[in-house]
Amino acid sequence: EPEVTQTPSHQVTQMGQEVILRCVPISNHLYFYWYRQILGQKVEFLVSFYNNEISEKSEIFDDQFSVERPDGSNFTLKIRSTKLEDSAMYFCASRGQGNTGELFFGEGSRLTVL
Amino acid sequence: QKEVEQDPGPLSVPEGAIVSLNCTYSNSAFQYFMWYRQYSRKGPELLMYTYSSGNKEDGRFTAQVDKSSKYISLFIRDSQPSDSATYLCAMTLSGGYQKVTFGTGTKLQVIP
Repeated sequence: EPEVTQTPSHQVTQMGQEVILRCVPISNHLYFYWYRQILGQKVEFLVSFYNNEISEKSEIFDDQFSVERPDGSNFTLKIRSTKLEDSAMYFCASRGQGNTGELFFGEGSRLTVL
Repeated sequence: QKEVEQDPGPLSVPEGAIVSLNCTYSNSAFQYFMWYRQYSRKGPELLMYTYSSGNKEDGRFTAQVDKSSKYISLFIRDSQPSDSATYLCAMTLSGGYQKVTFGTGTKLQVIP
């Protein structure tokens, strides 16, 4: 069964460092997303991406965040200068073509900022 | 008022019980409704997906949507210890690039 894959599964970084989280969405999907889940809290939308540009972003997704689809398969989230409060699980998700709502998630990348 | 409200639980039931999980929402424009299951420190796994009002059944799981009341439910029949997880309701305006909005999740424990 096709799946969304994410790397790394866990990253520990120092405050102020840059972090790149990587995702390989399901191959024929067109819409890509990043979500965040702080421990014990809800899954929160960060950004959606379609046709090589950001479609929608939340107020969480400020200037320190960026997304990129550098080739036909990878989808990355960059955090330029990490803060303690960026510690969370980051989930990549993708959605297929057509007017349906089904969203498929990866297993997540756990980011710990010290 | 929160966009999506979900009782966080925890909900503890004996094995074999029928479980009812519920969410209410405020945005009447939501069209697609989903239930996800999430195990600790894992990604959400799509369980059920429904469009607009109505019922949908898949094995032991039944999803109900009542758009007039802005209320959705997930029923689990013959609950198993392996059903122990956090259940997230989620909804979206439409497909395409539209974001999916999640409830806070209900933690379920099924006791053998």
